[in-house]
Amino acid sequence: DAKTTQPNSMESNEEEPVHLPCNHSTISGTDYIHWYRQLPSQGPEYVIHGLTSNVNNRMASLAIAEDRKSSTLILHRATLRDAAVYYCLQYGGSQGNLIFGKGTKLSVKP
Amino acid sequence: DTEVTQTPKHLVMGMTNKKSLKCEQHMGHRAMYWYKQKAKKPPELMFVYSYEKLSINESVPSRFSPECPNSSLLNLHLHALQPEDSALYLCASSQEIRRATGELFFGEGSRLTVL
Repeated sequence: DAKTTQPNSMESNEEEPVHLPCNHSTISGTDYIHWYRQLPSQGPEYVIHGLTSNVNNRMASLAIAEDRKSSTLILHRATLRDAAVYYCLQYGGSQGNLIFGKGTKLSVKP
Repeated sequence: DTEVTQTPKHLVMGMTNKKSLKCEQHMGHRAMYWYKQKAKKPPELMFVYSYEKLSINESVPSRFSPECPNSSLLNLHLHALQPEDSALYLCASSQEIRRATGELFFGEGSRLTVL
């Protein structure tokens, strides 16, 4: 079963920042937090991952709460191409069982 | 080459047919995955292969039969499917399953319709 919870949907205006929350209250000390997104008619694509510290890459930033029970994916300036379903996963690297939760459908308005 | 290639992109089959889905990657990854995705639902894990050996079978019915003939190829053999098996079948690969930092690379999927 999925171990993360996310809002079903969120809306954003183009060129504004977007904060996508995720709760992972059962996360263990060795589980990483991963984010993927799925654009319409495509397979999921990796966005970012982190363990404890905040992380940045060319696509997004990941802010991880100090107790690690929640995290926030930050898109600094949303574009129309960022409209997608965003999935938050926790994974400890044991058997390969990366389980997707229901995800957040992000809509971006021009 | 950072691609996972899936063929065919679309497949229509009858309930008595036997068909196969194919997945290929040339990134040197040793873990490969099959996911099933119904419309407006998240991907559901079906099988995981690690170093060409089946690591996880998420209680998938036997009418789905995975095969990993070598480290670059993953097949999903389909036989006696039901209409409710119609879905998008996604293949993914990663360096190794035991790397918690490992990124999954997904193909675009094979859309299956069972009549």
